[in-house]
Amino acid sequence: NAGVMQNPRHLVRRRGQEARLRCSPMKGHSHVYWYRQLPEEGLKFMVYLQKENIIDESGMPKERFSAEFPKEGPSILRIQQVVRGDSAAYFCASSTTVSSPLHFGNGTRLTVT
Amino acid sequence: AQKITQTQPGMFVQEKEAVTLDCTYDTSDQSYGLFWYKQPSSGEMIFLIYQGSYDEQNATEGRYSLNFQKARKSANLVISASQLGDSAMYFCAMREWKGDNFGNEKLTFGTGTRLTIIP
Repeated sequence: NAGVMQNPRHLVRRRGQEARLRCSPMKGHSHVYWYRQLPEEGLKFMVYLQKENIIDESGMPKERFSAEFPKEGPSILRIQQVVRGDSAAYFCASSTTVSSPLHFGNGTRLTVT
Repeated sequence: AQKITQTQPGMFVQEKEAVTLDCTYDTSDQSYGLFWYKQPSSGEMIFLIYQGSYDEQNATEGRYSLNFQKARKSANLVISASQLGDSAMYFCAMREWKGDNFGNEKLTFGTGTRLTIIP
C-alpha cells in the first residue's frame, strides 16, 4: 500500500510564476490536508479537503493560494504569482478513520528566487 | 493561547539513556487525540505514537511511550534506550473531535523539540 505521494520533491520558481504542488493520498483515504512548514518552525495547517469539497480553509492565505481535490486525480495546491515568502516545505497528509493518524507525504520544498 | 506547547527547543542526550520530551495541550473538548511525529534531517514526517483522550492506559510503541496525564493536560513522549538515529525534530500534535465531522479535524502542531543523541 503506497503511502502519500507528493510531487515534485523540490520546486524552484521565480517571483511572479505559478507553483502547482500535487498530492495523491493513501489508497482508501478520502480526506486530504495541506500544511506549510517554514524553516525551523512547526507545521501550520492550511486547508482540509474531501473529494470535490473544501471543508476547512481557515489556514489558507486569502489571495494567490487555492486548493482542489477533484473526483479523479490528485489534490493540487496552487500558488499564483509566488513571492519569496512562499518559500517553504509544503506537506500533504491523508487519513480515514476517527483514531487513525494523519499520514504525511515527503513534502515539496518550494524555493522562490 | 497556544493549543500545543513544547517548552524544550533543543535537548542533548547521551546514547542509550532514556529521554522525555515535554508536551502540554489546551482544549475544552472532551474528545481529542494526541500524536507525536518525528522529522529527521531528511525532512519527512514520521508518525510515532497516538493517545486518545478516553484511553485509560498510556500508549506504547516499541521504544516509544506516551506519558498521558489528562488532569495536567500533558502528553510527554518517552524514548527508552536512545539511539543515534533518534536525533531529529519531534513534534507533538492534537486533533479535536467536533461536531458531525467526527475524527477528521485538522491536527494542530507544537513548535517542536530538536533532539540530539550524543555518542
